[in-house]
Amino acid sequence: DVKVTQSSRYLVKRTGEKVFLECVQDMDHENMFWYRQDPGLGLRLIYFSYDVKMKEKGDIPEGYSVSREKKERFSLILESASTNQTSMYLCASSSPPADLDEQFFGPGTRLTVL
Amino acid sequence: ILNVEQSPQSLHVQEGDSTNFTCSFPSSNFYALHWYRWETAKSPEALFVMTLNGDEKKKGRISATLNTKEGYSYLYIKGSQPEDSATYLCAPRGGGNKLTFGTGTQLKVEL
Repeated sequence: DVKVTQSSRYLVKRTGEKVFLECVQDMDHENMFWYRQDPGLGLRLIYFSYDVKMKEKGDIPEGYSVSREKKERFSLILESASTNQTSMYLCASSSPPADLDEQFFGPGTRLTVL
Repeated sequence: ILNVEQSPQSLHVQEGDSTNFTCSFPSSNFYALHWYRWETAKSPEALFVMTLNGDEKKKGRISATLNTKEGYSYLYIKGSQPEDSATYLCAPRGGGNKLTFGTGTQLKVEL
């Protein structure tokens, strides 16, 4: 079974802190994604990566950065957390072929920024 | 960013009822349509990936159809059970690897 794990289920941080959200997948997938989910807005793509050291902006990248030093790990970084980044963050991974690659999701991290 | 609409937003049905939801998306630049089920406190899991106009897929009591010319997909659940309670998300794909998720249909199946 594909397994995507995220470092924390719940996280509370203060405004201005640097926050790291870690995601690890064990199926050797090339593609990895970070989404946030907010009520009434659905899952929105923040960043994604096709390969190690490669990254592309999604629909809402402002205030975030990412790092992919190893194929299995994709980190989301909030350089200076703000209250509007309070949300549920989900990581996903997938493998080509691009037209049929279902995404496998982690359990999510609920981040609260005070 | 694709404009994806799902309806209804929420739905309460009785055990044994059959139900269906709609996903509407732009028909231009269509590549594939994904359906996911997201149960509370769990991860979203893929139900179907559909690419061809007229596609129909089935998994147990759940099935889906696709109309790429008019830009919609239906998800059907036959004989709903309490374990079907979840949020059902559709996500069309245009060019590239990006999915655009709808806001989902929240289904509650009551005994």
